[in-house]
Amino acid sequence: GQNIDQPTEMTATEGAIVQINCTYQTSGFNGLFWYQQHAGEAPTFLSYNVLDGLEEKGRFSSFLSRSKGYSYLLLKELQMKDSASYLCAVPSASGGSYIPTFGRGTSLIVHP
Amino acid sequence: ETGVTQSPTHLIKTRGQQVTLRCSSQSGHNTVSWYQQALGQGPQFIFQYYREEENGRGNFPPRFSGLQFPNYSSELNVNALELDDSALYLCASSPPGGRETVNEQFFGPGTRLTVL
Repeated sequence: GQNIDQPTEMTATEGAIVQINCTYQTSGFNGLFWYQQHAGEAPTFLSYNVLDGLEEKGRFSSFLSRSKGYSYLLLKELQMKDSASYLCAVPSASGGSYIPTFGRGTSLIVHP
Repeated sequence: ETGVTQSPTHLIKTRGQQVTLRCSSQSGHNTVSWYQQALGQGPQFIFQYYREEENGRGNFPPRFSGLQFPNYSSELNVNALELDDSALYLCASSPPGGRETVNEQFFGPGTRLTVL
């Protein structure tokens, strides 16, 4: 089975940097997704990591260590609009398809 | 390009009733997945449809069923509603890539179901 762990809530200041961690346990690794979800809205894709290392995409970067079962999402130059829930998701193979398991999400609150 | 749409936006039902939720996938996408998201939780995978066939199912009872139509739109049906079924139901579509391809998912805005 899959097990994903993320902090429930984090707070940070506008303009700062924040790192949201995700640890996972999975039988067979097929990559790791990060999604952003604003309150009352649909999740939107941020990143997909398959190989170890850091992938940078503008103000957001995502890191993966497969040997440690660990990923983090790094948000730089925080803006108020970055206040949202950040979901870590790991797909697992099942009968010819991939079933994603989502963490419960980390609620990020950015304050002035 | 039209994104994923869902209807209705909100729905109130009473315990024991049946409900049908609808989803139109993004243009060109042939895979649709349904999720249940309780307040303060991450989305829980219900099932996935690929080319009109169920292509994977999460840990949900049989009273949760679905369909995918030739135009790749989809329905989620829930029978014998229970209070715990109150949640946001999300539909997500993925672009073609074969049954065994891990793809980014594009989510619809969801249907907020309240069971009284």
